[in-house]
Amino acid sequence: AQRVTQPEKLLSVFKGAPVELKCNYSYSGSPELFWYVQYSRQRLQLLLRHISRESIKGFTADLNKGETSFHLKKPFAQEEDSAMYYCALSDIQGAQKLVFGQGTRLTINP
Amino acid sequence: EAQVTQNPRYLITVTGKKLTVTCSQNMNHEYMSWYRQDPGLGLRQIYYSMNVEVTDKGDVPEGYKVSRKEKRNFPLILESPSPNQTSLYFCASSLRVGAYEQYFGPGTRLTVT
Repeated sequence: AQRVTQPEKLLSVFKGAPVELKCNYSYSGSPELFWYVQYSRQRLQLLLRHISRESIKGFTADLNKGETSFHLKKPFAQEEDSAMYYCALSDIQGAQKLVFGQGTRLTINP
Repeated sequence: EAQVTQNPRYLITVTGKKLTVTCSQNMNHEYMSWYRQDPGLGLRQIYYSMNVEVTDKGDVPEGYKVSRKEKRNFPLILESPSPNQTSLYFCASSLRVGAYEQYFGPGTRLTVT
């Protein structure tokens, strides 16, 4: 079954420190993977998707098929990065849905 | 402005009283979906729709109904709400399923007493 696991519910780092939010997935085919972010009092929005191979707000994520991971990284955290982050997998071969992880609440301390 | 709207944003109701949460998108998207967000459980899909008159169950469909009579609207119906349906609900739409971005509504916070 398709599954997305984010092992950390809470992550707290200091401003300027590197950030890594972990995401592991279970999927039988070639996955379409995303990171969504929810800032305080805002709606959920797309941060980046692996197919685009781009850096958004300094964040990058590399798909590692061998380790079935899609970790989100940023070299220098900023206070405005504090938010809820969700890793998601698009199940295009099965039930045609987006499967979300449990989310990681990232707090950047000044 | 391209967006997904939901109404109401907040709702407090009693067990058994039928309610509908509306969802509308103005982007001519084919795919629409409903999720519920609960602490520690993330977002779980309730129902989705690939196009007009095409709907299917997600992971947690029990106690919910949906309809897709028009492309832009995808209402979520709770025929007989129960306290375990107290949650934050999100509607989302995308051009299609797959590598396409999903656009989310602002959320509806529902409390069933």
